[in-house]
Amino acid sequence: KAGVTQTPRYLIKTRGQQVTLSCSPISGHRSVSWYQQTPGQGLQFLFEYFSETQRNKGNFPGRFSGRQFSNSRSEMNVSTLELGDSALYLCASSLGFGGARETQYFGPGTRLLVL
Amino acid sequence: QKEVEQNSGPLSVPEGAIASLNCTYSDRGSQSFFWYRQYSGKSPELIMSIYSNGDKEDGRFTAQLNKASQYVSLLIRDSQPSDSATYLCAVNRGTYKYIFGTGTRLKVLA
Repeated sequence: KAGVTQTPRYLIKTRGQQVTLSCSPISGHRSVSWYQQTPGQGLQFLFEYFSETQRNKGNFPGRFSGRQFSNSRSEMNVSTLELGDSALYLCASSLGFGGARETQYFGPGTRLLVL
Repeated sequence: QKEVEQNSGPLSVPEGAIASLNCTYSDRGSQSFFWYRQYSGKSPELIMSIYSNGDKEDGRFTAQLNKASQYVSLLIRDSQPSDSATYLCAVNRGTYKYIFGTGTRLKVLA
């Protein structure tokens, strides 16, 4: 079974631009979560989608948004990029039905550099 | 107090030794616990999950959970240089949100 895929793997943008990242979950998984990872802050939860609905949201400004499609693929968008948005953006998929034994599996990540 | 706490390290152990990584969590309602390994520049990779008090073994890895004391640990036996990585502890309350610690960097010295 194929794992979680993310595209693109690397991005270089300038301040003020916007960016869209894509994530395809493991086949059969309906939940997609997004995380931002920086050296100083560790893994920070952005949001989680299930069946095209956002179920959970972290403490990030409105410049960070996401969506999920009917095939469970998800995109996240960052508008008006700031230097501090430079990070590794990770997508994780899980079955999505909750419960104590649900497990997340991570994609390879998209490394974003904002100049 | 952070929800999930880990010592950032680095934890240095000689090759062949046992590496012990610890994690404490604050929410007593936490139900599931995970250890991920993350090599530099790579994404986290699931190593172990544990749900009940006690030990769970998988090869050279043993996860230990003590809900009364609110800690979970990971033991790596016969540590190898290839085990050098950052180990992330994650906790789930049975919801759709996972809380991660900031990770412990492990260095296995050849």
